[in-house]
Amino acid sequence: DVKVTQSSRYLVKRTGEKVFLECVQDMDHENMFWYRQDPGLGLRLIYFSYDVKMKEKGDIPEGYSVSREKKERFSLILESASTNQTSMYLCASSFLPLDRPGNTIYFGEGSWLTVV
Amino acid sequence: LAKTTQPISMDSYEGQEVNITCSHNNIATNDYITWYQQFPSQGPRFIIQGYKTKVTNEVASLFIPADRKSSTLSLPRVSLSDTAVYYCLVGDGFTGNQFYFGTGTSLTVIP
Repeated sequence: DVKVTQSSRYLVKRTGEKVFLECVQDMDHENMFWYRQDPGLGLRLIYFSYDVKMKEKGDIPEGYSVSREKKERFSLILESASTNQTSMYLCASSFLPLDRPGNTIYFGEGSWLTVV
Repeated sequence: LAKTTQPISMDSYEGQEVNITCSHNNIATNDYITWYQQFPSQGPRFIIQGYKTKVTNEVASLFIPADRKSSTLSLPRVSLSDTAVYYCLVGDGFTGNQFYFGTGTSLTVIP
């Protein structure tokens, strides 16, 4: 089974702290994604990466950066955490191309971040 | 910018068929339509994917009209365990770019 593992399930950080959310997948997927999920807003794409050292902005990249130094690992970075970044963060990965039967996006369990 | 529009919520009784429709007026030629299911405190999981006409698997059916500007997820004979949020998304199946989930439809199955 595909496994997407997010390093921290629950975090509490102070305003202004630098926050790292780590994600690792074990299926050699090319694509990796970071979403945040908030009540009433659904899932919003922050960044995605289709290859090592490659990244593309999603809907809401402001206040975030990402790093993809190895194929299996995709990190989300909050350079200076703010209270409006309190949310659940979901990492996902997929093979390419996505239109091949059986290829789909696999999600991790989520990381609940509270910024106080 | 959201690319899909779905009803915010739906209720259904156990044993009924549920149809959830999604509008995607600006769907591009390369875009596939995919539906995901999410339970509380879990990441979404894949249900079904299609490009045109009808697709069926052991869980659901997906109906896509010829103009592809909408799609309908059909869940046969729902049970209480089908209570979840259902997301419709469209995206470039080749590159995986622009995979936006939107707000989803919260389905509540009533005994």
